[in-house]
Formats: sequence, C-alpha cells, structure tokens
Amino acid sequence: DTEVTQTPKHLVMGMTNKKSLKCEQHMGHRAMYWYKQKAKKPPELMFVYSYEKLSINESVPSRFSPECPNSSLLNLHLHALQPEDSALYLCASSQVRDLGTDEQFFGPGTRLTVL
Amino acid sequence: QQPVQSPQAVILREGEDAVINCSSSKALYSVHWYRQKHGEAPVFLMILLKGGEQKGHEKISASFNEKKQQSSLYLTASQLSYSGTYFCGTERDNYGQNFVFGPGTRLSVLP
Repeated sequence: DTEVTQTPKHLVMGMTNKKSLKCEQHMGHRAMYWYKQKAKKPPELMFVYSYEKLSINESVPSRFSPECPNSSLLNLHLHALQPEDSALYLCASSQVRDLGTDEQFFGPGTRLTVL
Repeated sequence: QQPVQSPQAVILREGEDAVINCSSSKALYSVHWYRQKHGEAPVFLMILLKGGEQKGHEKISASFNEKKQQSSLYLTASQLSYSGTYFCGTERDNYGQNFVFGPGTRLSVLP
C-alpha cells in the first residue's frame, strides 16, 4: 500500500468553527508532514513529525494545532481560522533517513475554505 | 531560503526537449524534484545528493552542480503526460530541518 489518504476532501468552515483534518498512511513511514498550498504557489511546509514527535514547526499560527496519535495517523486541528487560511492542505509521509529528507509521498489534499 | 527556478513556464510540442533549472544562493546538501499535475498531489521524481551522481530514467534525468549550487532537470522527447508544474525542493544540510520548495515551473506539452 503506497497511498496516503486524507479526509475530508473538501471543508467549508466559519471563522468560529473547530474542525480537524485527518491523514493516514500504512507504508511504515515514521516521518509525516503538513503543507499548505495556495493556488499557483508551491507547497509551504507547516509541521514535521518524526517518530510521532513534533520536530519542525515553521512558525505556524496557534490556530493550527497538529497531532500525531500514532505512527500511521496525523491530524491537523483548526480553530478560529481566517479567510486567508483558505488553501489546499497536503499531508505527506516518508522514511526517516539518517541523512536529510527522503522521498515524500503526498496525499490528495483537503481543500479548505474559510468563510 | 527558497530556491529559484527557471523558466517560470515553458510550452513544448510533443517530442521536444526541455531543461528546468533550480538554483540557490546557499550551499546545498540535496535537491529533490517533484511534478504536480493540476488538481493532484505532487509526485516524487528524484533526489540528488551532494557528491552523488546524475540520476534519472531514460527520458527524465537530472544533474546537480555543487559548485554552482544548481540542479537541472532534463526532459527528453517530451510526452503529453509530462505536462504539469515541476518543483524543486532543496536542503542545506543533512539534518532534515530546512526542506523548502522552489516556486515551480509550469510545463505544457502540446500535441
């Protein structure tokens, strides 16, 4: 199984809502990533988990809260978002290498719209 | 620090060749190449490591010039399926802490 799954595919939420994005992989990867991608822009790294521990937080606002409950699952909890947070949220996973970042497998993404 | 890619966009006819460049002002440890088709997730193409050799398949290959901190992706005899946006991703060291994608090159292959 070389697939990363993400749910939901689409999400519309108001600025006062609380919602969560989910990501799952069963490739035995121990590194998992959250990216944000705006239209016609590259994916922008938000968070990296390595062995279920948060290893990178790229100065992301606290209204985004990641969680890695086990080695196969990654969540992104959303609260009090702003309209400018509307974007495609991509999850990825990879092997953990001793040297640098390995090949990342991306999920199809969640298209988030904040009203 | 985000790498620079050139060109921003390129249009080819099927069967033509293309080169996409990725460069950084900082010393690089690795360069990664991904392709993203419209409405889809990025898909990994290859990694080039400092001190490593040129990688690739028959029609898509890449090189890494460590002295110039530049990588080039070579698309030979392009096919319609090559259309998409190509992103390079770079790391400055081997700690896995500073991976960043370039702005992308949009490639359109026409019949």
